[in-house]
Amino acid sequence: SAVISQKPSRDICQRGTSLTIQCQVDSQVTMMFWYRQQPGQSLTLIATANQGSEATYESGFVIDKFPISRPNLTFSTLTVSNMSPEDSSIYLCSVVPSGSPTDTQYFGPGTRLTVL
Amino acid sequence: GNSVTQMEGPVTLSEEAFLTINCTYTATGYPSLFWYVQYPGEGLQLLLKATKADDKGSNKGFEATYRKETTSFHLEKGSVQVSDSAVYFCALTGSVFYGGSQGNLIFGKGTKLSVKP
Repeated sequence: SAVISQKPSRDICQRGTSLTIQCQVDSQVTMMFWYRQQPGQSLTLIATANQGSEATYESGFVIDKFPISRPNLTFSTLTVSNMSPEDSSIYLCSVVPSGSPTDTQYFGPGTRLTVL
Repeated sequence: GNSVTQMEGPVTLSEEAFLTINCTYTATGYPSLFWYVQYPGEGLQLLLKATKADDKGSNKGFEATYRKETTSFHLEKGSVQVSDSAVYFCALTGSVFYGGSQGNLIFGKGTKLSVKP
């Protein structure tokens, strides 16, 4: 497995602003992902963060709303842009550690976002 | 498309009771199946997995068997403890060979388990 940290752990933001969430891993990983967990709901994949290139977004998610960076093998950011109350969720990054089976993901502790 | 259905909670049990949380799935191809657990105030943790039919995943006294004939992956534990109180998520991966996204873990809605002393 890998030790995954996220910053911030929680935040309360105003409508119309943007928040950048960081995901840091203590070892190199082959794959990194960003998920959203809306209140009382399950997790939904937002995008795959590709190292050195543009992220791959799932249906219903767009780069303008959720820009993602992954400058190296251990770090990624997700920005939630022009926020509205509907963006209130827990945002989680997950990784596939190098040398681990590609079907098994490990999750960070999540960032709890509340938009007023 | 692929989907996961798990029993609705909350489930409340007494300590040392037997636990079953039902999970069934719909999938194209041969997905891997997972149980994740989310303890109060903590992140999501991988509990166990199975990658092919008839495989049994096990960890911390929990077990689940990949049943292709019934498309099920029910989670069981013979004797639960208060410390098992958490939300349990059943999940599967899409198969890249059938057009699925490798990263797309598809989750059930979660089942909250409360164990009373």
